[in-house]
Amino acid sequence: GIQVEQSPPDLILQEGANSTLRCNFSDSVNNLQWFHQNPWGQLINLFYIPSGTKQNGRLSATTVATERYSLLYISSSQTTDSGVYFCAVAIGMRFGAGTRLTVKP
Amino acid sequence: EADIYQTPRYLVIGTGKKITLECSQTMGHDKMYWYQQDPGMELHLIHYSYGVNSTEKGDLSSESTVSRIRTEHFPLTLESARPSHTSQYLCASSDRNYGYTFGSGTRLTVV
Repeated sequence: GIQVEQSPPDLILQEGANSTLRCNFSDSVNNLQWFHQNPWGQLINLFYIPSGTKQNGRLSATTVATERYSLLYISSSQTTDSGVYFCAVAIGMRFGAGTRLTVKP
Repeated sequence: EADIYQTPRYLVIGTGKKITLECSQTMGHDKMYWYQQDPGMELHLIHYSYGVNSTEKGDLSSESTVSRIRTEHFPLTLESARPSHTSQYLCASSDRNYGYTFGSGTRLTVV
């Protein structure tokens, strides 16, 4: 089946710093999403982005489907950005293992 | 407001009991899913459904069953709960234009 790899597995930032999270996938997909899981376990949909670039406030995402990767950018990070970020692709909705982000004040 | 609802939010139950976790969505989505997740870890697909009377097994389905009698309702049943079932269970539904929406989850503890 399709493989989804996220990097880095863990990331610690100082408040105000920028970061880039990466998601690689092993096969062509027509559906890719980025989620943020908050400390209460709720999965929040950040972007539905099978291709192209989208922006929402301090967050933006780019998917290059032909090269099988997607990037999530977080600018001017805040402590509330802490949590686990998951990339998920279609075909059985396979999730990556996540990037655990900690933003320190 | 269209959404996806899971009940109960928390459940503590004894070993050997039969339990049903409820999931309902008001978005009219045909596709629905159940995932199991230990805190902060990977999500594992348990079951999924592409519509009424359609159910398929995922990666961790052997100890649970699902049904899809109505579009909006997709309950998950554990016939005999064990401590190894202690985890968070997440229900989701999907739409081709907007992707997946998750419920708030059920945190299950089997003692």
